[in-house]
Amino acid sequence: DAGITQSPRHKVTETGTPVTLRCHQTENHRYMYWYRQDPGHGLRLIHYSYGVKDTDKGEVSDGYSVSRSKTEDFLLTLESATSSQTSVYFCAIGTGSFQPQHFGDGTRLSIL
Amino acid sequence: SQQGEEDPQALSIQEGENATMNCSYKTSINNLQWYRQNSGRGLVHLILIRSNEREKHSGRLRVTLDTSKKSSSLLITASRAADTASYFCATDEGSNDYKLSFGAGTTVTVRA
Repeated sequence: DAGITQSPRHKVTETGTPVTLRCHQTENHRYMYWYRQDPGHGLRLIHYSYGVKDTDKGEVSDGYSVSRSKTEDFLLTLESATSSQTSVYFCAIGTGSFQPQHFGDGTRLSIL
Repeated sequence: SQQGEEDPQALSIQEGENATMNCSYKTSINNLQWYRQNSGRGLVHLILIRSNEREKHSGRLRVTLDTSKKSSSLLITASRAADTASYFCATDEGSNDYKLSFGAGTTVTVRA
């Protein structure tokens, strides 16, 4: 299995609080991605990174920010969590074109 | 927006039977990938097929791609209880072929 670790694995928090999810990889892959998975929607891309300090928005980026200060870490921040951001969040890594992405086991986030 | 859509949404079969699921997409692609997700886990890559390929095999998996119809199918032969999972197709975004767009998935249940 690709070396991807997501933390925390579960989190319950209140509306309006800031939340940061971490994705750590040991594969030295260039690309890192954050997705959210909701029933009936499959996976939707939130943000992705194509190198250190190089990030871009995905399909559902509103309310989320990311940072990548080192190759191995990609952080997803909810500045002020809302109930609509309750979801399962997956981090993935990849090497680029015509290559598979490798996924972490997800973070289940509940915002009450 | 989701590029790929799987059909059917759910499938229940007897162990030993074959399972077929389909994926349709909207715009031109460079490659299409299939992933499996077991309950509570991240996605696992199964197979990648390039736009200039028509069929690909991997063990008990057979994937076809018809670019004229913008569709793909995944066939699992001689299914086992361990094949119980959700299956997702993912397509690249043409000019951004390191980004994937996932469908909502097909949930397959294999009955013993």
